[in-house]
Amino acid sequence: SSELTQDPAVSVALGQTVRITCQGDNLRLYYASWYQQKPGQAPAVVVFGKDSRPSGIPDRFSGSSSGSTATLTITGAQAEDEGDYYCNTRDSSGNHLGVFGGGTKLTVL
Amino acid sequence: EVQLVQSGGGLIQPGGSLRLSCAASGFSVTSKFMSWVRQAPGKGLEWVSSFNNGDRTFYADSVAGRFRTSRDNSKNTLYLQMNDLRVEDTAVYYCAREFVQLSYWYFDLWGRGTLVTVSS
Repeated sequence: SSELTQDPAVSVALGQTVRITCQGDNLRLYYASWYQQKPGQAPAVVVFGKDSRPSGIPDRFSGSSSGSTATLTITGAQAEDEGDYYCNTRDSSGNHLGVFGGGTKLTVL
Repeated sequence: EVQLVQSGGGLIQPGGSLRLSCAASGFSVTSKFMSWVRQAPGKGLEWVSSFNNGDRTFYADSVAGRFRTSRDNSKNTLYLQMNDLRVEDTAVYYCAREFVQLSYWYFDLWGRGTLVTVSS
């Protein structure tokens, strides 16, 4: 199986830019998707594919990828962006297996 | 309305069995990949199982041989049959719909989750 590694916690000042990274060998094969989760709620996708957002997600959220690292960037972080963020992609086995990163807790100061 | 409504869950003793349900509305589960994802208390997300839009199922190593995902097309419902449950299976279980492309996939619709507690 494959693993995705995220920093456990990141903080950002209100209005500043924060980058949350996700590392894993299978990211060389597949794009990551990124999920935001707030306490007591189900996760919700914020970025997927090369750099796409579902309708309703602000354009301050963006994604990028280089080699084995995927990055979620929040440009001009808002208080409501505080929460847990998870990356996700396919296992590199070629089968339809999923894998999540361990999650990053984002604090907006 | 497009949604996933989950049911089942509860308290079960180690070694016991439990079945979770995920009823879809607004789309057909036969036309989509569907997954189960779980989250242990205070922990991160863990992918558990996927059912493709044919008849293939896939499982995480941690549940393979104990859990089985199935689908009732007439009820437009996905199931997760969990056998030989262990304390470490305690988690909130989410069902989720997948959007699948060649180079990426993502979960575009989630149920609200149901808590499974395995304890004696």
